Amino acid sequence: DIQMTQSPSSLSASVGDRVTITCRASQSISSDLNWYQQKPGKAPKLLIYTASSLQSGVPPRVSGSGSGTDFTLTISRLQPEDFATYYCQQSYSSPFTFGPGTKVDIK
Amino acid sequence: QLQLQESGPGLVKPSETLSLTCTVSGGSISSNTYYWAWIRQPPGKGLEWIGTIYYSGNTYYNPSLKSRVSISVDTSKNQFSLKLRSVTAADTAVYYCARIFGGPYYFDCWGQGTLVTVSS
Repeated sequence: DIQMTQSPSSLSASVGDRVTITCRASQSISSDLNWYQQKPGKAPKLLIYTASSLQSGVPPRVSGSGSGTDFTLTISRLQPEDFATYYCQQSYSSPFTFGPGTKVDIK
Repeated sequence: QLQLQESGPGLVKPSETLSLTCTVSGGSISSNTYYWAWIRQPPGKGLEWIGTIYYSGNTYYNPSLKSRVSISVDTSKNQFSLKLRSVTAADTAVYYCARIFGGPYYFDCWGQGTLVTVSS
């Protein structure tokens, strides 16, 4: 199985901050990397697919980059609705696996 | 607008079989563009892909659960279902059904999730 790691596991930030979350795969996954946002008690929501493609309806302050084993999710100006947990997920090979999550909370 | 809704018992006894159904509305489960999946999340923990089915009935399972899992589809009802046998407390989780865009693969639409507790 491809193991996914994320850093940091949590971070505190203020509205307006720029936030970057890193995801690393245990082997190359090309650009087959997706990002999801999850709020408490809710289902995950797709933000970014294939490393850098913005899902319809997601604000452009959210962006993704990377390929191979190292990926980043960036939120350029954090808004109140962005406080949540973020997961990366690889779809390069079965079984699909998720990172452990990064919790973004209010400083 | 596509909607997915999980249904099934919220409490299952140890060693019994967990059974859930996902009803798809606002779109056809028989679309050749999408696959359909089950994912679970133990309380306070991360996400685990359980398995995927195509409308034709082709299935793909997580090897960690493969010996206990079966997923089926009923195109006439626009539903797909999950069975997980011989459950233990470790199977307590929120179970989500989701749609997978079929190439590249990503989970683009999720149900709200249903908590299943394994307890006697």
